[in-house]
Amino acid sequence: DVKVTQSSRYLVKRTGEKVFLECVQDMDHENMFWYRQDPGLGLRLIYFSYDVKMKEKGDIPEGYSVSREKKERFSLILESASTNQTSMYLCASSYLRQGSVEQYFGPGTRLTVT
Amino acid sequence: GEDVEQSLFLSVREGDSSVINCTYTDSSSTYLYWYKQEPGAGLQLLTYIFSNMDMKQDQRLTVLLNKKDKHLSLRIADTQTGDSAIYFCAESRVSGGYQKVTFGTGTKLQVIP
Repeated sequence: DVKVTQSSRYLVKRTGEKVFLECVQDMDHENMFWYRQDPGLGLRLIYFSYDVKMKEKGDIPEGYSVSREKKERFSLILESASTNQTSMYLCASSYLRQGSVEQYFGPGTRLTVT
Repeated sequence: GEDVEQSLFLSVREGDSSVINCTYTDSSSTYLYWYKQEPGAGLQLLTYIFSNMDMKQDQRLTVLLNKKDKHLSLRIADTQTGDSAIYFCAESRVSGGYQKVTFGTGTKLQVIP
């Protein structure tokens, strides 16, 4: 029953390191998203992609980049990790047609930057 | 900008009904959603309602939408301990040709046995 998987559940990195978070979905969804979740702030959209090689900035893209080379895979990259990027990162994929919504989230990656 | 607000915490007794409320500011919302997040897990889409609907029922879940007041609620009938989780309200609208989703901060539901 695998739908959206994320490469790691927990990750600890040092300040300045380059970090890759991988997300894979098996539902052939066009849309994929990266969010971060912080207490009291809900989910905030970092980047999203509506097709292969396409990407759009969300509300908080600074310090992040993304890559979507294949439809099923959407990667989030922290070029130089900083302590304020310590957070829970959630990937999602979705399908939206007239009157019908399908969306799944991955289990999340809890990233700690020391 | 767009804003979605929820109360932070709700406590109910097992078997009672739970009502989780949400208000939003964007009058151009197309879909409104309720998600459930259990500890250590991602979000699960529970239900959604199109903005031209007033109500949607799905087993124990009832969603009510008051578009005039921009108020959305989720009622869980016969609440069980397994319903303990954080519930997120979200609204989406078309922005720049894409569906943009804004989430509330989540309501933690505690079910007391």
